[in-house]
Amino acid sequence: EAGVAQSPRYKIIEKRQSVAFWCNPISGHATLYWYQQILGQGPKLLIQFQNNGVVDDSQLPKDRFSAERLKGVDSTLKIQPAKLEDSAVYLCASSLVADEQYFGPGTRLTVT
Amino acid sequence: KQEVTQIPAALSVPEGENLVLNCSFTDSAIYNLQWFRQDPGKGLTSLLLIQSSQREQTSGRLNASLDKSSGRSTLYIAASQPGDSATYLCASHGSGNTGKLIFGQGTTLQVKP
Repeated sequence: EAGVAQSPRYKIIEKRQSVAFWCNPISGHATLYWYQQILGQGPKLLIQFQNNGVVDDSQLPKDRFSAERLKGVDSTLKIQPAKLEDSAVYLCASSLVADEQYFGPGTRLTVT
Repeated sequence: KQEVTQIPAALSVPEGENLVLNCSFTDSAIYNLQWFRQDPGKGLTSLLLIQSSQREQTSGRLNASLDKSSGRSTLYIAASQPGDSATYLCASHGSGNTGKLIFGQGTTLQVKP
């Protein structure tokens, strides 16, 4: 069974630029999550999708971050414009419903 | 609001030692508690998931316990090996089983040969 796929693995951008991350969950998993992990901290949930719908986006900085999940499968997370404090690892996870989550390798973003 | 804390932030032990990693949480009405391992530059690997009705789970040399009344979980690693060196994270599934995970800061373990 293929795991959660994410791309790119690494990205370096300058502040005020935009960036997008892609996630492909495990086949059949209805729930998809995006987490932000700042160095030295545990991951923090940014947004949770159930199929196409948003379940929780309470910690998503909506003035600069956006996310979508087309057709209930792949998802993209976008940052526009990026700030220095957005430097982090962005992790995507999926689960069948709301149970055990499986994580992808993450995308390491550096904003200079 | 659920808060999860892991102490210590870092731990160094000699190979072969048995060790315990600690995790505490403020809201005892958790649904599940999950332990993860994270290697440098990598994603999270699930180690053990303890459902709220359970008190412990075991997998190989790992044993995780859950005490909801005291707001604590422990991860016991037996006969530690250098390959166990990684960051260990615990995460609480919030009440109502929304799926949202609330993570601790992690404990970085180094096992010296």
